[in-house]
Amino acid sequence: GESVGLHLPTLSVQEGDNSIINCAYSNSASDYFIWYKQESGKGPQFIIDIRSNMDKRQGQRVTVLLNKTVKHLSLQIAATQPGDSAVYFCAEALNNAGNMLTFGGGTRLMVKP
Amino acid sequence: DAGITQSPRHKVTETGTPVTLRCHQTENHRYMYWYRQDPGHGLRLIHYSYGVKDTDKGEVSDGYSVSRSKTEDFLLTLESATSSQTSVYFCAIGTSGRVDTQYFGPGTRLTVL
Repeated sequence: GESVGLHLPTLSVQEGDNSIINCAYSNSASDYFIWYKQESGKGPQFIIDIRSNMDKRQGQRVTVLLNKTVKHLSLQIAATQPGDSAVYFCAEALNNAGNMLTFGGGTRLMVKP
Repeated sequence: DAGITQSPRHKVTETGTPVTLRCHQTENHRYMYWYRQDPGHGLRLIHYSYGVKDTDKGEVSDGYSVSRSKTEDFLLTLESATSSQTSVYFCAIGTSGRVDTQYFGPGTRLTVL
């Protein structure tokens, strides 16, 4: 697989701790927000999404928080595991159509055993 | 990677040469997408297809063309490659046009010298 070797912001956490990855989005008209996980050598993988009419959405071990006032999105990962090590991207869109996404630059999460 | 393959996986070519990347799916999904991934830009949509012979431009379509003559294959062509097209290229497929149904392939690393 392929990945992009980037000088990305990096978050380093201890295994078992909670992780918080932040993202600032640009378009106040965006209605749909998504978090992706990209493991080394693989394509991005959809994790969780949230619509603009919500502030919070929970999945399995992950929570996405949306603050429209300051155009901020965060991804919380509970009890971080070594398998969570990856690059995480946020994306925004005017709607949930697959051709409308604008991706952020990504954050690298490193989990220390 | 959800029945998506990309070929070639790596390619080095020279400026001015034509290049074709292939995305092949075994899922019979209607929607197919081509993205490029560059440092600092996340993923950007090049072209997408919503059916056989039905394609449309994305955010960064200049210098690229696509064709989809069969459901399972979506070809991306660089008619005359330039160094600015050095990138990692990802194909994605989707059952509907919704973001949360998109699955990404493993990527192709293209280097234009």
